[in-house]
Amino acid sequence: EAGVAQSPRYKIIEKRQSVAFWCNPISGHATLYWYQQILGQGPKLLIQFQNNGVVDDSQLPKDRFSAERLKGVDSTLKIQPAKLEDSAVYLCASSKDYMETQYFGPGTRLLVL
Amino acid sequence: AQTVTQSQPEMSVQEAETVTLSCTYDTSESDYYLFWYKQPPSRQMILVIRQEAYKQQNATENRFSVNFQKAAKSFSLKISDSQLGDAAMYFCAYRSGQAGTALIFGKGTTLSVSS
Repeated sequence: EAGVAQSPRYKIIEKRQSVAFWCNPISGHATLYWYQQILGQGPKLLIQFQNNGVVDDSQLPKDRFSAERLKGVDSTLKIQPAKLEDSAVYLCASSKDYMETQYFGPGTRLLVL
Repeated sequence: AQTVTQSQPEMSVQEAETVTLSCTYDTSESDYYLFWYKQPPSRQMILVIRQEAYKQQNATENRFSVNFQKAAKSFSLKISDSQLGDAAMYFCAYRSGQAGTALIFGKGTTLSVSS
């Protein structure tokens, strides 16, 4: 069974630029999560989808971050415009349902200069 | 709000020895789940072990076991017969038993293993 796929693996941008990350969850997984992991800290949830609906986006900085999950499968996370403090690893995870074990992708490491 | 605290930023162990990583959490809920995740330098987060709060028996997965003390809100991870491949960042995480809730992570403990 293929795991959670993410791309790109690394991205370097200037502040105020835009960036987008892509996630392909494990086939059949209804729940998809985006986490932000700042260096030296544990991951923090940004947004949670159940199929293509948003369950929790309370910690998503909506003035600059947006996310969508088209057709309840792949998801994209966008930052526009990026700030220096957005430098972090962005992790995507999926689970069969919201009460099931979460499986994580390899992450996208973002550096904002 | 629930919180997870890992008080050991770094730990070290020699091969074949046993090490225990500490985790405490704060919650007013009675229905919840606790997890230990491993994140090697490649950064892929992997589930190590899971504990349901309603279960009194401590979870075990091969060389990994937990000491779950519900009253003390403590959830430590014991790694027996440590191997070089166990070197990683270990995160303790909490999830409410309520629908639609995500994981709350601690800050992690970096484990190094020496030969």
